[in-house]
Amino acid sequence: EAGVTQSPTHLIKTRGQQATLRCSPISGHTSVYWYQQALGLGLQFLLWYDEGEERNRGNFPPRFSGRQFPNYSSELNVNALELEDSALYLCASSLAGDRNQPQHFGDGTRLSIL
Amino acid sequence: GQQVMQIPQYQHVQEGEDFTTYCNSSTTLSNIQWYKQRPGGHPVFLIQLVKSGEVKKQKRLTFQFGEAKKNSSLHITATQTTDVGTYFCAGPGSGTYKYIFGTGTRLKVLA
Repeated sequence: EAGVTQSPTHLIKTRGQQATLRCSPISGHTSVYWYQQALGLGLQFLLWYDEGEERNRGNFPPRFSGRQFPNYSSELNVNALELEDSALYLCASSLAGDRNQPQHFGDGTRLSIL
Repeated sequence: GQQVMQIPQYQHVQEGEDFTTYCNSSTTLSNIQWYKQRPGGHPVFLIQLVKSGEVKKQKRLTFQFGEAKKNSSLHITATQTTDVGTYFCAGPGSGTYKYIFGTGTRLKVLA
């Protein structure tokens, strides 16, 4: 069974640009979660999508947005990039929207802002 | 807002010593999950606890969920170099669908 896949692996941008990160969940998983992990720090919850709908978002500004497609894959968009957006962005998927399901993580996209 | 804190933040142990990390939530959790993130890797699900006072074991790892469902612990007996990584607890906040990850405990095992 293929795991959660994220692309690209690395992304280098400059301040003010826009970044798009992609995630494909495990087959059969309908929930996708996005997290930001700054170097050496914990995971900050960004967004949760289930069945194509945004279910919840963390304490991030509106320039962080995303969507989930009919095939349950997801995109995270970050507009007007700032230096502090440099981090590892992790995507996770789980079965349905049941809070009791474990999350399966991808390898992440490392976003560097110059 | 709801917070999930873990202590200690860092722990260095000699190989063979025991290790414990504690997870404390400011509010009740309906369940708690534990994840391990190896250096340079992504978090990997270890286990889930649901019942108050529940204790589960995985070989040298023992997980416990507090009676009030606001705290949890992970104990590793006789650590090995393969135990190196950051251990996170996580759970949905009561009444919300937001997953809260703990601050993590970074374990280093000295051979």
